[in-house]
Parts: sequence; structure tokens; C-alpha cells
Amino acid sequence: EVQLVESGGALVQPGRSLRLSCAASGFSFDANAMHWVRQAPGKGLEWVSGINWNSGSIGYADSVKGRFTISRDNAKSSLYLQMNSLRAEDTALYYCTRGMGQLVRGRIDYWGQGTLVTVSS
Amino acid sequence: QSALTQPPSASGSPGQSVTISCTGTSSDIGAYNYVSWYRQHPGKAPKLMIYEVNKRPSGVPDRFSGSTSGNTASLTVSGLQAEDEADYYCSSYAGSNSVVFGGGTKLTVL
Repeated sequence: EVQLVESGGALVQPGRSLRLSCAASGFSFDANAMHWVRQAPGKGLEWVSGINWNSGSIGYADSVKGRFTISRDNAKSSLYLQMNSLRAEDTALYYCTRGMGQLVRGRIDYWGQGTLVTVSS
Repeated sequence: QSALTQPPSASGSPGQSVTISCTGTSSDIGAYNYVSWYRQHPGKAPKLMIYEVNKRPSGVPDRFSGSTSGNTASLTVSGLQAEDEADYYCSSYAGSNSVVFGGGTKLTVL
């Protein structure tokens, strides 16, 4: 059974940093692209970032480019999101998700339960 | 990276069919066959319903179908059931390792 378990969400002040982690199990982690998708309270889904199977191709939403960094450790079956210079508008539930196939193409077939990031003074 | 455009709401009676549209551009929906549709019930994580325009993951009933025409994708739900009441989101690959979502459509089963 595919499982994605996020951690690291917290209440943080504007301008500070936070690192999210996602522990994956139940599949060959290095066979799939991975993505972070967020959802602000009461709002829709927003794609944040995606990484291909070997970290060779990475993409970011314009809203986080230059501030967020996605990475993965295939040996640990883990996905990460380093978030710097956080803003109030980054407040959201952050989902760790699995993409179908090795490339970043969307096609997200599994979702974690999310970890909540709140940016407020 | 502009969000795809979906109608905020749609509705239908049990047993009827409803179609939800998702309008993008020639740089996303019009350029790639990587359109996906997700259903999200309140308080739950989204679920993949359609991928690559018209393919259904295992376990998704054939009441759900997808298509594209130009820069617009569509999701049709036939034989509406109470459990279909949820928020629906489209997404598309937009090139250069980027993905874009639609704003979501709240489907109400009357």
C-alpha cells in the first residue's frame, strides 16, 4: 500500500524558514516523480514544485521560485521542501504527492494527508 | 503560469449527466495530453479520477470520462450519484517541469 506521510508543518513568523519532509513507503520511490501541492484554507489546489525520479529535472511555481527548494533522497525514500523567506500567503496545507512515471508531468496518483504551515506574526 | 479556468459551480440531479469545463492556453492544455482531474470531498485529500485526458485509474467507475478540444478540457460525470458531490479540479502539464491547476468546481447533486 502506497503511503505518504508529511511532517514539519508549524506556525512560523514571516521571513523565517521551514523544512517539510515526506516519508514514502509501499512503492519503489526512485521510480516516480514527486510533487508538493498546497491548499490554502478554504481555497483551491496550487501546485508548488515537482522533481523527477533522479533529481535531474525540477520545476517550481512562480509564486515560490527563488524561495523554495525541493529535493529527494532515494536511499531514504524521502521528499523534502525547504521553504525560505516565508510569507503570509504561504499559509496552507502542504500535500506530498506521487506522480505517475519518472518525469514531472502532473498525473498525481497518490496524496498524503498534508502538513499545515501557518505563517503569522 | 496562470491557473486554468473552471466554473465555480455545477449541478445535476441523480442519474443525470454533468460536464465541467477547464480552459487553459496553447501552452498547457492545448500543447500536452497531460490533463488530469481530481475529486476532493470536504476534509479529505484529492483523488485522481482521470489522467492523460481520458484514462481512468483502476477503481474509478466508467461514469467518469474526459476529453479535450483545443485549449479546453472537459470532465463528464454520467449517472450522477450522491457521492459525486464534491469539489473537482483539473490540472495540466505546462512545460518546463511545471504543472498548473484549475480553480476548482463545486459539484452539487440536487
